[in-house]
Amino acid sequence: GQNIDQPTEMTATEGAIVQINCTYQTSGFNGLFWYQQHAGEAPTFLSYNVLDGLEEKGRFSSFLSRSKGYSYLLLKELQMKDSASYLCAVMDSNYQLIWGAGTKLIIKP
Amino acid sequence: GAVVSQHPSRVICKSGTSVKIECRSLDFQATTMFWYRQFPKQSLMLMATSNEGSKATYEQGVEKDKFLINHASLTLSTLTVTSAHPEDSSFYICSARDPGTGDTGELFFGEGSRLTVL
Repeated sequence: GQNIDQPTEMTATEGAIVQINCTYQTSGFNGLFWYQQHAGEAPTFLSYNVLDGLEEKGRFSSFLSRSKGYSYLLLKELQMKDSASYLCAVMDSNYQLIWGAGTKLIIKP
Repeated sequence: GAVVSQHPSRVICKSGTSVKIECRSLDFQATTMFWYRQFPKQSLMLMATSNEGSKATYEQGVEKDKFLINHASLTLSTLTVTSAHPEDSSFYICSARDPGTGDTGELFFGEGSRLTVL
């Protein structure tokens, strides 16, 4: 079956760095997405990785290792507004998105 | 960037009534739109893929007669929850991919519609 695993919840301190991991097992691979979702709102796009390596976009970076079925989202200089759920999703061989359950990130002052 | 608009954002209805949710792509034409449902503290669950001019493709376990999807134009898809019951109360989200960014382009999400069935 297809499976996306990410931690349920993480806590970090304002100004610090946090890494959210995602491992996957899917039928084929056409890219991995990270989305941010605040409570009660729709997800917003953060990043897309299809090749191995690190993609940096401001305070957020995303890493992919296809051979290991592994990705992480790195958030630097954490701000209180970063408190949200972070969803990992993989596009399979049929171009369908398989979603992880999301990681709830709690930022403390 | 591309914008997807969803309406209504919140709806409360009585059990047994039907509710229609609209999803519009405002600045691009979307041949395919996706409808998701999200229960509290759970991940997004794909309900169906809406294809312009043809029947929607439903995921396993989703009743096509209960969740009617119509994609009559390249900018509008509608989801109708028929004979709604309290267990249908959920957050419904639509999304579309801008074809200009290719098959692997990012998905743009509507604002979501919170349905409460009394």
